[in-house]
Amino acid sequence: DTEVTQTPKHLVMGMTNKKSLKCEQHMGHRAMYWYKQKAKKPPELMFVYSYEKLSINESVPSRFSPECPNSSLLNLHLHALQPEDSALYLCASSRPGQGPYEQYFGPGTRLTVT
Amino acid sequence: EDKVVQSPLSLVVHEGDTVTLNCSYEVTNFRSLLWYKQEKKAPTFLFMLTSSGIEKKSGRLSSILDKKELFSILNITATQTGDSAVYLCAVLKGSARQLTFGSGTQLTVLP
Repeated sequence: DTEVTQTPKHLVMGMTNKKSLKCEQHMGHRAMYWYKQKAKKPPELMFVYSYEKLSINESVPSRFSPECPNSSLLNLHLHALQPEDSALYLCASSRPGQGPYEQYFGPGTRLTVT
Repeated sequence: EDKVVQSPLSLVVHEGDTVTLNCSYEVTNFRSLLWYKQEKKAPTFLFMLTSSGIEKKSGRLSSILDKKELFSILNITATQTGDSAVYLCAVLKGSARQLTFGSGTQLTVLP
């Protein structure tokens, strides 16, 4: 099983709203990732969690707040977003250890900020 | 600055053709190179290449890495319309957690 699930599939939110994206995997992976993908562009890394600890933050604005409550779950909390934050948000996971290991992606959440 | 460059940016072929997609890279502390296929949503993992000169093969798809010349190719033989997608090349570096993607090759296979 190489499945990463994400909810919701689509999200429309206003600039003053607070919402959360959820990602789940049950493959025993201990590294989880958030990527942002704009239309016709490749995914760009936002955050990396390793063993439930934030290990990489690619200078992402504070209106994006990640959380890893346990080894299977990864959240991305959104607050006061801008229209330019509209994009496909992808979650990924990979095996623990030194690697290198391939990353498996979820189907993404299509976010529209109005 | 790290760079992953794919060519061509787009390609249109007919069913049955063979295609070769290219990926060159310049990254510090290279660990491995990965190929993904992206249709509508999630990138789907195809291959991970770590050692130079060893071909990875899966059905009609194959890929090889040249670490001396810093490039990889992805070959698809006897293409089918279902192969139409964006093919993404990505490089793992450093702690092997940071995946840097190229801009992708849009492949269209016509019946």
